[in-house]
Amino acid sequence: GESVGLHLPTLSVQEGDNSIINCAYSNSASDYFIWYKQESGKGPQFIIDIRSNMDKRQGQRVTVLLNKTVKHLSLQIAATQPGDSAVYFCAENPNAGNMLTFGGGTRLMVKP
Amino acid sequence: DAMVIQNPRYQVTQFGKPVTLSCSQTLNHNVMYWYQQKSSQAPKLLFHYYDKDFNNEADTPDNFQSRRPNTSFCFLDIRSPGLGDAAMYLCATSRQALAEKLFFGSGTQLSVL
Repeated sequence: GESVGLHLPTLSVQEGDNSIINCAYSNSASDYFIWYKQESGKGPQFIIDIRSNMDKRQGQRVTVLLNKTVKHLSLQIAATQPGDSAVYFCAENPNAGNMLTFGGGTRLMVKP
Repeated sequence: DAMVIQNPRYQVTQFGKPVTLSCSQTLNHNVMYWYQQKSSQAPKLLFHYYDKDFNNEADTPDNFQSRRPNTSFCFLDIRSPGLGDAAMYLCATSRQALAEKLFFGSGTQLSVL
């Protein structure tokens, strides 16, 4: 039968504030993680990635933090802008040679 | 400058009428993927090609088929679309390994009437 759409967790922030989007992953053997941004009606767009030998990586206005102890990944967006409004997915590589596994997604809404 | 190009952006088909979605890439990537994405859900992998080798996910219905005639093109064929097949279909590529960074196209939104 047809799947019922899930209600996405939503984070609402004021323009100019910092945003933190969290992701819990399941497999302690995962060694590569990616954050994707997906705007309405578009395909996912790569934001930033990190390998398990690192715990932090910075890009332009974005930072990814990896806590392997508690299997937690976060995406920090500095000075959030209206154009950051989208759904954000984390993805992990559970084992070498296997497919990337996507998390459930978080909707970020930026209030002007 | 689109690198993974999907056509059409919107496709409407009738219940049971075969439909083909297209994807092309200018990246010369070895691996091409097809994902299905329903509203408010994560993309779900249907199958992938590693070069010419076709790999089906265990839970992908037989109704879904794929062709990759050359490195640049990949097609998704839905033989008899049902109402439950209405979704966004995403094509993606990766350079070599299966769990590398994926490059996605803009997707084709399929409606089934």
